Amino acid sequence: NAGVTQTPKFRVLKTGQSMTLLCAQDMNHEYMYWYRQDPGMGLRLIHYSVGEGTTAKGEVPDGYNVSRLKKQNFLLGLESAAPSQTSVYFCASSPPEGGYNEQFFGPGTRLTVL
Amino acid sequence: GQNIDQPTEMTATEGAIVQINCTYQTSGFNGLFWYQQHAGEAPTFLSYNVLDGLEEKGRFSSFLSRSKGYSYLLLKELQMKDSASYLCAVMDSNYQLIWGAGTKLIIKP
Repeated sequence: NAGVTQTPKFRVLKTGQSMTLLCAQDMNHEYMYWYRQDPGMGLRLIHYSVGEGTTAKGEVPDGYNVSRLKKQNFLLGLESAAPSQTSVYFCASSPPEGGYNEQFFGPGTRLTVL
Repeated sequence: GQNIDQPTEMTATEGAIVQINCTYQTSGFNGLFWYQQHAGEAPTFLSYNVLDGLEEKGRFSSFLSRSKGYSYLLLKELQMKDSASYLCAVMDSNYQLIWGAGTKLIIKP
């Protein structure tokens, strides 16, 4: 099993450009998450999904959109990139809530917006 | 508001013991997690506490006191490969994880 994979691993964008980050998991997990990680700050939740066809806003959703058309995939879109979106983006997945539900993380995407 | 506090950086010696503290204030509590994150890599799960007390797993142990809003991660017999950041996270009443900024642990020979 590959676990959680993310593409691309690195990307440089110019201000105003758009892009989509892809996350895929092969563990049949219901829940998927997109986080960003910035120096000196904890992981911050952007959007999450509790199942195929559902999405919800997290702590910092502005400037991002997501889609979960298939259970195994969770896409994060930036419609018009801004320098403030320079960050490391992590996707994670977990089994349904209730009790112990460890989150499994992908390797991350390092995004720079010039 | 919700808040997770942990020291920014700690230094310890190879072979020694180190304790990394975490205090939290969250809306609801559904468990506390510790993750390890090596530089440039993804976080990986270390431990989970939902009841008060100590959970031991090999060289790593994690303690929780819900009444005090306090946890610690204890690392014994430190090895150079333990140099990493250690992230404390609390699952709130909405089953979302609230993350601390992480403690960077530096191990010296």
